[in-house]
Amino acid sequence: SAVISQKPSRDICQRGTSLTIQCQVDSQVTMMFWYRQQPGQSLTLIATANQGSEATYESGFVIDKFPISRPNLTFSTLTVSNMSPEDSSIYLCSVVTGQGSNYEQYFGPGTRLTVT
Amino acid sequence: TQLLEQSPQFLSIQEGENLTVYCNSSSVFSSLQWYRQEPGEGPVLLVTVVTGGEVKKLKRLTFQFGDARKDSSLHITAAQPGDTGLYLCADGRFNKFYFGSGTKLNVKP
Repeated sequence: SAVISQKPSRDICQRGTSLTIQCQVDSQVTMMFWYRQQPGQSLTLIATANQGSEATYESGFVIDKFPISRPNLTFSTLTVSNMSPEDSSIYLCSVVTGQGSNYEQYFGPGTRLTVT
Repeated sequence: TQLLEQSPQFLSIQEGENLTVYCNSSSVFSSLQWYRQEPGEGPVLLVTVVTGGEVKKLKRLTFQFGDARKDSSLHITAAQPGDTGLYLCADGRFNKFYFGSGTKLNVKP
């Protein structure tokens, strides 16, 4: 299993500013992901955070808007840059442990972002 | 692009009732996971199914994977208020996970 913490748990930010969200895992993991979830809706994968190399972004998400760092196997950050009200969402990080068909995905508690 | 549709979108029932929620894919699942998410928390994995026709049980929850691996169902027997939450299916492919649209379940005492 894996225990994940995120900071901050919530924030209210002004448009045009940037916020960096931290994700800390209690063990070393290879696969780490960042998701966005609008209130009451499903999760959308933003990117895979790769340790030692650039993150891999999903269609519709770009590095300039959502820069990601992954300095080691237990930590990652996601920055939401030049925010607008449309960026108001819950941002979640997750990790995957195991291999083959015996893998499990664990999520952090999320960061609730409101942009005014 | 794979589409994962879940139905119903919302479900409100009384404690003790049975219910079934569905997850349908436009393409074959690599592997399918079901999660439950409570307000203010991240999703929690309930089960992973990989084999067509597979049935798994977790206490009052029964998960079925379609023979063609394009659909799945989650049946809850004698629902309890603690079952309230957002139920999500997800496809794990190429080391990434793509989520369905979700079913929001409310079990009233």
